[in-house]
Amino acid sequence: DTGVSQDPRHKITKRGQNVTFRCDPISEHNRLYWYRQTLGQGPEFLTYFQNEAQLEKSRLLSDRFSAERPKGSFSTLEIQRTEQGDSAMYLCASSSLPPSLGAGRGVDEQFFGPGTRLTVL
Amino acid sequence: LAKTTQPISMDSYEGQEVNITCSHNNIATNDYITWYQQFPSQGPRFIIQGYKTKVTNEVASLFIPADRKSSTLSLPRVSLSDTAVYYCLVGEAGGSYIPTFGRGTSLIVHP
Repeated sequence: DTGVSQDPRHKITKRGQNVTFRCDPISEHNRLYWYRQTLGQGPEFLTYFQNEAQLEKSRLLSDRFSAERPKGSFSTLEIQRTEQGDSAMYLCASSSLPPSLGAGRGVDEQFFGPGTRLTVL
Repeated sequence: LAKTTQPISMDSYEGQEVNITCSHNNIATNDYITWYQQFPSQGPRFIIQGYKTKVTNEVASLFIPADRKSSTLSLPRVSLSDTAVYYCLVGEAGGSYIPTFGRGTSLIVHP
């Protein structure tokens, strides 16, 4: 396993279409994150999973966005009725967070994939 | 949620030491400070993490004063390949931690 992979790497779609992206994390990692990044900005958190459970979802995320991680391995991010403002790089990251992690144990080191660049025409 | 402030950009020259400071005035007791590096068209890459005083690894050092309201990432003897955006994050994994990258600091290393 060489790292986090994302598919496709590039996606061009027309406004109003639905798109789905896939992320395959590092195999032993139990936590998976999705981010969106536009030019000149840092990655913006969208959501994350601990195994198959979606623990946090950004309040900025519209209901056109949905993510799944059905078996606690790969994850998909779907955007329905795409808009031009959805054009961005979509990044996936994974990490290994021990279940017993508590206060004072630091935060998990995230390993990022290469991203999927979405262009909505 | 602790907010961080970094310079938008910095310039340096090959062989110099670069220090990037991040302010996090409302850091919580259990929060750690983490730095990531991002090259164009790539995802961020973890550099270093610390809680207090000084942490050093093979690529960088992290200096954290006693009040922990700021931290400084130190890159020794930078090269052209250190040209990247550097992000400072503050948080603690227990509970609902939401990683917040901000705009980061764009470092340009000149020959």
